[in-house]
Amino acid sequence: DAKTTQPPSMDCAEGRAANLPCNHSTISGNEYVYWYRQIHSQGPQYIIHGLKNNETNEMASLIITEDRKSSTLILPHATLRDTAVYYCIVRGFAGGTSYGKLTFGQGTILTVHP
Amino acid sequence: DAGVIQSPRHEVTEMGQEVTLRCKPISGHDYLFWYRQTMMRGLELLIYFNNNVPIDDSGMPEDRFSAKMPNASFSTLKIQPSEPRDSAVYFCASSLGPYGGDSNTEAFFGQGTRLTVV
Repeated sequence: DAKTTQPPSMDCAEGRAANLPCNHSTISGNEYVYWYRQIHSQGPQYIIHGLKNNETNEMASLIITEDRKSSTLILPHATLRDTAVYYCIVRGFAGGTSYGKLTFGQGTILTVHP
Repeated sequence: DAGVIQSPRHEVTEMGQEVTLRCKPISGHDYLFWYRQTMMRGLELLIYFNNNVPIDDSGMPEDRFSAKMPNASFSTLKIQPSEPRDSAVYFCASSLGPYGGDSNTEAFFGQGTRLTVV
């Protein structure tokens, strides 16, 4: 499985953009990048995912570098409710013994302050 | 759909007792995941199924843990005998595979079962 590296914590001012980086230098061509977040003791919540192209939805934008070795999750206008642990995950479906596997690292604790 | 449903939400049991956690995935999903979360170890994948077949159980801590998926709408995680170090929040999640493209493959999580073994 491709490993991911994220900073352990980040701060962001309310109303500003939050840019969360993730390194996945061993990603293979058929693996996707997923982002989830977990607020307090709730179950993780899906945010966005992508393969090669940048993606945007109502929650966030995902920027994937051309070599696919890193990505950035962008919350365009962070609010206090965005304070959570954010996980970057690499997941593949191309076969082998771990197709479809979804494993979480330590994530980034994002704190949005007033 | 009501989402992924886990039961019970809270379980307190004595050391040595058998504990069974239950999960109903979202209808039509063919992947099911069991996770354990503690402060010390974070969110650990215990086992996952595809089309009711266990694909990877390398995260199951020891023989005291077992998981089954007898049909597409139900799975159990059993601990026998339970120990205090098994105290954690256990999450179940389900997702679709990438049929017809990579869309709709996000995993949805249940609310979790908080297990306390005393």
